[in-house]
Amino acid sequence: DAKTTQPNSMESNEEEPVHLPCNHSTISGTDYIHWYRQLPSQGPEYVIHGLTSNVNNRMASLAIAEDRKSSTLILHRATLRDAAVYYCILRDDNAGNMLTFGGGTRLMVKP
Amino acid sequence: ETGVTQTPRHLVMGMTNKKSLKCEQHLGHNAMYWYKQSAKKPLELMFVYSLEERVENNSVPSRFSPECPNSSHLFLHLHTLQPEDSALYLCASSQEGPDLAGGQFRNIQYFGAGTRLSVL
Repeated sequence: DAKTTQPNSMESNEEEPVHLPCNHSTISGTDYIHWYRQLPSQGPEYVIHGLTSNVNNRMASLAIAEDRKSSTLILHRATLRDAAVYYCILRDDNAGNMLTFGGGTRLMVKP
Repeated sequence: ETGVTQTPRHLVMGMTNKKSLKCEQHLGHNAMYWYKQSAKKPLELMFVYSLEERVENNSVPSRFSPECPNSSHLFLHLHTLQPEDSALYLCASSQEGPDLAGGQFRNIQYFGAGTRLSVL
């Protein structure tokens, strides 16, 4: 799997937007960009994924750069419950069903 | 509740004990996974089962023995563990291949809450 680079930690204020960056300069044409997050004392949970176009769902938005070498997960209004480790993962659907987790970004949300 | 249930949630065992971790998924998925999450390390994939066949064994020591009796259940049998095996063990499931009905995405992994294992 191509590697991703994320900041180790970020801080946000409650009810403000949060932009979590991810660099993936060696992404291949068939790699999907997946985001998962892991809340304290829980397993990871799926957040969103995309290939080329920006994506929105009830949890977040995913903005993908035109060259696909970077992406940004956007939480529109951070809440205390969004404090978690956020993982950006590349997955080639044609190359098996494995996810390779990196260190992720630890998001801290201040009240 | 993600539809993936792991038991027990916590386990303490001695190095000579034999124990088993259980995972059950209620999502109708056809693939199941075991991951290990040690302190200050990324999640490590241990085993992958697809259609009840083991398709990946990520260089895991033989003291960890997986079993997948059917598509809904996955076990991890433990014996003669070492203290460095203390970690959070996570199970996940996914639908690989054709989409499921009901809007579920294929290839998305759904995780259980994990079993916190301490080896003394």
